[in-house]
Amino acid sequence: EAGVAQSPRYKIIEKRQSVAFWCNPISGHATLYWYQQILGQGPKLLIQFQNNGVVDDSQLPKDRFSAERLKGVDSTLKIQPAKLEDSAVYLCASSLLRTRQETQYFGPGTRLLVL
Amino acid sequence: AQKVTQAQTEISVVEKEDVTLDCVYETRDTTYYLFWYKQPPSGELVFLIRRNSFDEQNEISGRYSWNFQKSTSSFNFTITASQVVDSAVYFCALSHNAGNMLTFGGGTRLMVKP
Repeated sequence: EAGVAQSPRYKIIEKRQSVAFWCNPISGHATLYWYQQILGQGPKLLIQFQNNGVVDDSQLPKDRFSAERLKGVDSTLKIQPAKLEDSAVYLCASSLLRTRQETQYFGPGTRLLVL
Repeated sequence: AQKVTQAQTEISVVEKEDVTLDCVYETRDTTYYLFWYKQPPSGELVFLIRRNSFDEQNEISGRYSWNFQKSTSSFNFTITASQVVDSAVYFCALSHNAGNMLTFGGGTRLMVKP
């Protein structure tokens, strides 16, 4: 079974530029998550989708971050404009369902450096 | 508020030593799930174990074992006879509501030297 796919793996941009990350979850997984992991810290949830609807985006900085999952499969996370503090690894995860006992499976992440 | 604390930020051991990684959590929920993930240098979080709040039995999987103690809100992870390949950052996480929101600890970096 294929795991969670993410691209690109690395991205370097200058502040105030925009960037987008792509995620393809495990086939059949209804729930998709985006996390931000700053160096030396644990991942922090940004947004959670159930199929193509947003379940929770309370931690998403909506003035600059946006995310969508239009067809309930792939998802895109965008940052516009980027700030220096956005330098982090952006992890995508998926789970079969949204219930608390479901294990989340993570992709390899996109490492973003904002200069 | 939900919180996960991994007090050990970095541990260094020599190969074949046993090592225990500590995890302490806080939650008001009566039903919750605890997880451990491994993050090797490649960056991907690898799922290791899931434990629910009603099951306090210890679990062993090969060289890995987990000790869940509800009375002390701890879910500790022991690696027996550590190997260099165990070098990674290990995260403890808590799933604390019906929506499967994960709260992660800060992680423990384990370095196993040959």
